[in-house]
Amino acid sequence: GAVVSQHPSRVICKSGTSVKIECRSLDFQATTMFWYRQFPKQSLMLMATSNEGSKATYEQGVEKDKFLINHASLTLSTLTVTSAHPEDSSFYICSPTENTEAFFGQGTRLTVV
Amino acid sequence: QKEVEQNSGPLSVPEGAIASLNCTYSDRGSQSFFWYRQYSGKSPELIMSIYSNGDKEDGRFTAQLNKASQYVSLLIRDSQPSDSATYLCAVRSLGGNNRLAFGKGNQVVVIP
Repeated sequence: GAVVSQHPSRVICKSGTSVKIECRSLDFQATTMFWYRQFPKQSLMLMATSNEGSKATYEQGVEKDKFLINHASLTLSTLTVTSAHPEDSSFYICSPTENTEAFFGQGTRLTVV
Repeated sequence: QKEVEQNSGPLSVPEGAIASLNCTYSDRGSQSFFWYRQYSGKSPELIMSIYSNGDKEDGRFTAQLNKASQYVSLLIRDSQPSDSATYLCAVRSLGGNNRLAFGKGNQVVVIP
């Protein structure tokens, strides 16, 4: 299977600070990148979709100024949670997609204290 | 109506038994169907994909798709304790930038 590297796997930050999550597709080119968020005992909720070199498309209810997505290349995308609040504590998962095949990063457990 | 529904509660099965999971979807235009397994604290991993009506078998896993009834199911034969996880049904429709819609998942507990 494809190799996806997501970092960090776990991060604790203080309220009001920003956290950057990085997602790399190591052996394929991700034409589309999906970012998901998963709260405990709930399913994956799509936050935003981005194509390389284009602005991300955000799902309803997701603030684009709070969750900054950069998809500057076909192998790297970043999600920055700005001015983090405790309610942003969640499991964030990237999913780079090549054509119709979706792969998942290892996930980032974010805890905002 | 949710795009993808998995309504069953936690499923407990004895080791060696068959676990059966069901999923329904709302978009008749859906073309691709997936079952993912997710262990606690980990990201999902793909275990089965199915694209046409009928059954598809892969080892101890069998996916069944019925587009007319808009449901897809997963059977796990000879269940093992390592199968204990949450199973997510995902559906991809035509267009929509290849996005997947996920069900809420079904927790399976295999009892030794």
